[in-house]
Amino acid sequence: EIVLTQSPGTLSLSPGERATLSCRASQSVSGNYLAWYQQRPGQAPRLLIYGASSRATGIPDRFSGSGSGTDFTLTISRLEPEDFAVYYCQQYGGSRTWTFGQGTKVEIK
Amino acid sequence: EVQLLESGGGLVQPGGSLRLSCAASGITFSTSVMSWVRQAPGKGLEWVSVISGSGGSTYYTDSVKGRFTISRDNSKNMLSLQMNSLRAEDTAIYFCAKLAGWDAFHIWGQGTMVTVSS
Repeated sequence: EIVLTQSPGTLSLSPGERATLSCRASQSVSGNYLAWYQQRPGQAPRLLIYGASSRATGIPDRFSGSGSGTDFTLTISRLEPEDFAVYYCQQYGGSRTWTFGQGTKVEIK
Repeated sequence: EVQLLESGGGLVQPGGSLRLSCAASGITFSTSVMSWVRQAPGKGLEWVSVISGSGGSTYYTDSVKGRFTISRDNSKNMLSLQMNSLRAEDTAIYFCAKLAGWDAFHIWGQGTMVTVSS
């Protein structure tokens, strides 16, 4: 089973700053089936990025995903107040198993 | 409008049973791969179960195999999760989610809380 490790655990930034979140897999993610989600307090997760770099419908272009193999990155180019939340990466293993990372909290500095 | 609406959560004793439901609207339900994902209080996300559009293929995370059963009624646009032999560690918010293909959890419901406690 592929394990996803996200870093850092918490990112303290100010509005307008750039956020860089990392997701590292214990084995290569087949087909780059890597997704990113945003979860605000008390809300359901929302899909941001799928296929490592494709934005989901309605997601602002300040969100971008990159990476391949075992190393993936979510970048938020300029943080808006509504972007302070918890972010999860998730992979699909191709053998009908799905794994989430433990999450990165982006908080206001 | 696309909507997934979960119901059926509540308080149950260890060893008890509960059935969750998810009513879908605004999607082509019969061709949608559907899932249940849970989140324990203050913790991260964990996929629980996935079912193919026809219902002919089902998948479970190891910790619920033999205890939980996912099913669907395509005539009613309804997804279900039958949970038996519940344990304290099953306490969580249970989200219904539609997959995009087989890989990403595309659309989410608001969740229903399940508490297993005596």
